[in-house]
Amino acid sequence: DTEVTQTPKHLVMGMTNKKSLKCEQHMGHRAMYWYKQKAKKPPELMFVYSYEKLSINESVPSRFSPECPNSSLLNLHLHALQPEDSALYLCASTQWGTTEETQYFGPGTRLLVL
Amino acid sequence: DAKTTQPTSMDCAEGRAANLPCNHSTISGNEYVYWYRQIHSQGPQYIIHGLKNNETNEMASLIITEDRKSSTLILPHATLRDTAVYYCIVRYDNQGGKLIFGQGTELSVKP
Repeated sequence: DTEVTQTPKHLVMGMTNKKSLKCEQHMGHRAMYWYKQKAKKPPELMFVYSYEKLSINESVPSRFSPECPNSSLLNLHLHALQPEDSALYLCASTQWGTTEETQYFGPGTRLLVL
Repeated sequence: DAKTTQPTSMDCAEGRAANLPCNHSTISGNEYVYWYRQIHSQGPQYIIHGLKNNETNEMASLIITEDRKSSTLILPHATLRDTAVYYCIVRYDNQGGKLIFGQGTELSVKP
C-alpha cells in the first residue's frame, strides 16, 4: 500500500479563520513533507519532518504552522492567511535515510482564502 | 533552482510511444534521476527512477545516457489517461531529500 491520505479535499476560509490540514500515511515512512502548488506551477517544498522533528523549513511565513504528532500523521495549521495563499497543498512521505528514496504524494487539499 | 531542462509541451498519438527528454548536465555521481507525473489537480505520481542503468517497470522505461547528462522517459503505448505534466527531477541527497521540481513537460495524448 503506497497511499497517503489528505483531508479535507477542499477548504474555503476567511483571512481571520484558523483551520488545519491533515495528512496520514501507514507505510512506516519516517519522513513527511508539505508542498505548496500554485496554478500552472510546479510544487514547491515548504517543510520536511524526519523522525517527527522539523528538519527543513523553506522560509515559510509563520501563518503556516506544521505539526507532526507521530510518525504517521502530519498537520498544517493555518491562521490569518492571505488570498495569495490559495493553492493546492500536497503532503508526501518517504522512508528516509538512503539516497534512493521515493516520495509518495497525497491527492492534496485545494485551499481558497477569501 | 531546478537543475533539469524539459520541453514545455509535447503531443503524442494514442497507442504510440511517448518519448520525453530531460537534460541534467550538472548531475553528480550519486544523484538519481526521478520521474513523476501529475494528472490535472491530483498529487504527483511516482513513475520510475534510475542512477546509471536503464530501468523498466510496468509503467515506463527510463533510458539514461552513458555520461548521465540526459535521460528519456518512454511510455511504450500511450493512452489518453497518460495526458499529464511529467517532471524529471534530480534528487539532491545533500539537501535532506528535497525534490526540486522543474517546470515539467505537458504531454497531450490525442486520439
